[in-house]
Amino acid sequence: EDQVTQSPEALRLQEGESSSLNCSYTVSGLRGLFWYRQDPGKGPEFLFTLYSAGEEKEKERLKATLTKKESFLHITAPKPEDSATYLCAFSNNAGNMLTFGGGTRLMVKP
Amino acid sequence: GAVVSQHPSRVICKSGTSVKIECRSLDFQATTMFWYRQFPKQSLMLMATSNEGSKATYEQGVEKDKFLINHASLTLSTLTVTSAHPEDSSFYICSARDTGAYGYTFGSGTRLTVV
Repeated sequence: EDQVTQSPEALRLQEGESSSLNCSYTVSGLRGLFWYRQDPGKGPEFLFTLYSAGEEKEKERLKATLTKKESFLHITAPKPEDSATYLCAFSNNAGNMLTFGGGTRLMVKP
Repeated sequence: GAVVSQHPSRVICKSGTSVKIECRSLDFQATTMFWYRQFPKQSLMLMATSNEGSKATYEQGVEKDKFLINHASLTLSTLTVTSAHPEDSSFYICSARDTGAYGYTFGSGTRLTVV
C-alpha cells in the first residue's frame, strides 16, 4: 500500500539552528513528491515538486532532496517566520490526487 | 502563478442547515478539483475528487449524500454540506490541478462551525 510518513511530528529550533525534516515514502509508481508549507488557518502553500531520485531544489533557506525512499527538507539558518507546518505529499501513476503525510510542525524561536 | 479562490473563509451555521463552499480557479482551467478535510493538528484527508461535467468520486467513508459536490464549469467546484451537525465542524480545503509547474494549487480554506 502506498504511504508517506513524516518525522518528527514537531520540531523546536532556535533562530539560526539548521535542521532537516524527513518524509519517508512507499509508492509503487511515484509521479511526484511535493512539499507544502501551511500556516494556521490557511491552505497549503506550494514549495517544491521533485520527480526523480537525486533531484534537489532550493528556495531561500529551504532545500528539498529526494532519494528512492525519502525526501528531506533542509532548513538553513531558520528565522521565526519559517515557523509553520510543513507537509509532504505524493502523487502516483494510479491516480490524480495527492496523498499527504502527517506534517511536521516547526517552531523557530528568536 | 495559478490561483485558487475559496469562499467563504469562515462560516457558522445552525445544526440542520446546509452550507455551500465555493472553489474557483482564477487564471486557469481545472478539469479536476479536490476537496480535503482537516481536523486540528492533523493532516489533510481527501474527501472527494471532482471532475468537470461528471459525478464526483468519493473516498471510502465519506457520505456522498451529506457532502454534495458540483463541478459545473472548468473554473468552479462547490461543496455543499447538507443537514450539518456539530461533528461536521472542520477546516475544508479545495485544490485544483493545473498543468503548470505547480501541479496542485490550494485554496485558503473554509472554517465551518456548526452550532
